[in-house]
Amino acid sequence: SQQGEEDPQALSIQEGENATMNCSYKTSINNLQWYRQNSGRGLVHLILIRSNEREKHSGRLRVTLDTSKKSSSLLITASRAADTASYFCATARLIQGAQKLVFGQGTRLTINP
Amino acid sequence: NAGVTQTPKFQVLKTGQSMTLQCAQDMNHEYMSWYRQDPGMGLRLIHYSVGAGITDQGEVPNGYNVSRSTTEDFPLRLLSAAPSQTSVYFCASSWGTGLNTEAFFGQGTRLTVV
Repeated sequence: SQQGEEDPQALSIQEGENATMNCSYKTSINNLQWYRQNSGRGLVHLILIRSNEREKHSGRLRVTLDTSKKSSSLLITASRAADTASYFCATARLIQGAQKLVFGQGTRLTINP
Repeated sequence: NAGVTQTPKFQVLKTGQSMTLQCAQDMNHEYMSWYRQDPGMGLRLIHYSVGAGITDQGEVPNGYNVSRSTTEDFPLRLLSAAPSQTSVYFCASSWGTGLNTEAFFGQGTRLTVV
């Protein structure tokens, strides 16, 4: 079952603009993670936000988490052509002693030069 | 430091054939997992392992077997390939049981079953 629902499915913006992607989920979580996938490559971890955190920054990335609304957003500021990729949220729950990640369907981001 | 290494990168199988997708990590991670990625479906968990000798089923385990004889290796076996198993397969590893840690992914194996 898919836990994370991402919105939008595709986003195309001009270089230098900000990109915002949203993720909604259904059940309680331990943390929420964002990953990037370049075409034909594996996923690369971007940022992890724990369930007791509301906002986190890493370079040009800003992640928010609202557990009351069961939603998260990823903001990429001052976008670059190299940011073109698919972005996935993954909700994490501890089940039977191990962290289980459930991924959303992803947002395909295109940065136009 | 190679991280997570998957082989092969590409594979074409005929229906009914069996094969093993290899996954190795050199980070001494306890937790390893296999996912499949299909268009519009995100990644779905097939099997996972919290340490050598311990494996368990994920969301979509049917048609796949795994074993974990060493910390480093976590092969995925397709017993009798079916066209529905055409997908991109990713192996991932995490420190400890993975809670509040990031997952490191291999580059993927693109499998086509004809």
